[in-house]
Amino acid sequence: QSVLTQPPSASGTPGQRVTISCSGSSSNIGSNTVNWYQQLPGTAPKLLIYSNNQRPSGVPDRFSGSKSGTSASLAISGLQSEDEADYYCAAWDDSLNGLYVFGTGTKVTVL
Amino acid sequence: QVQLQESGPGLVKPSETLSLTCAVSGYSISSGYYWGWIRQPPGKGLEWIGSIYHSGSTYYNPSLKSRVTISVDTSKNQFSLKLSSVTAADTAVYYCARLVRASGTYYFDYWGQGTLVTVSS
Repeated sequence: QSVLTQPPSASGTPGQRVTISCSGSSSNIGSNTVNWYQQLPGTAPKLLIYSNNQRPSGVPDRFSGSKSGTSASLAISGLQSEDEADYYCAAWDDSLNGLYVFGTGTKVTVL
Repeated sequence: QVQLQESGPGLVKPSETLSLTCAVSGYSISSGYYWGWIRQPPGKGLEWIGSIYHSGSTYYNPSLKSRVTISVDTSKNQFSLKLSSVTAADTAVYYCARLVRASGTYYFDYWGQGTLVTVSS
């Protein structure tokens, strides 16, 4: 039921920069801010980026987010082995009575 | 530090009602914020189920609305999920989380560890 589209996978070697895209529509990304969650294997999701480009306390500054129109991106610079995880974008969708929608998820592999 | 902990049966029979509770510590639900439930079927992505304010105001995922009830008990500082008429498709890890909601900004900042609920006879 995901209405936000992400590539299923992305990869890079340690130290490289990896970018993940998130495509939505006018009712979600186009109207509201985008958030990103990191889910390490076997753990609960963790808030990584909120309000398009804000990092919660404790999140390294090598994670950055951006938004343009109905799309958003998450960039990981200086990729590290501990960054191997699933990443989900998310946003509020104003359609119907409103609902919170997640992206399809991207598995990041550190080669 | 805000902490959330899900609890409830790990096995539910088809057609029955799934019931989970999320106990919150380190923050009083009565003080504000929305609170929500998210689920993740094995090997799949995340799905928002619904959210509730301390006053009882709710938002539900339209795809689940007919089967979902979320309630809050401020005296126990907890909120609950009931999902009726479950099928195998409802087998998932269920997470509770705190929802920050303000002027076009919505995000879950604190999450429980999750609890696996399997629907099987």
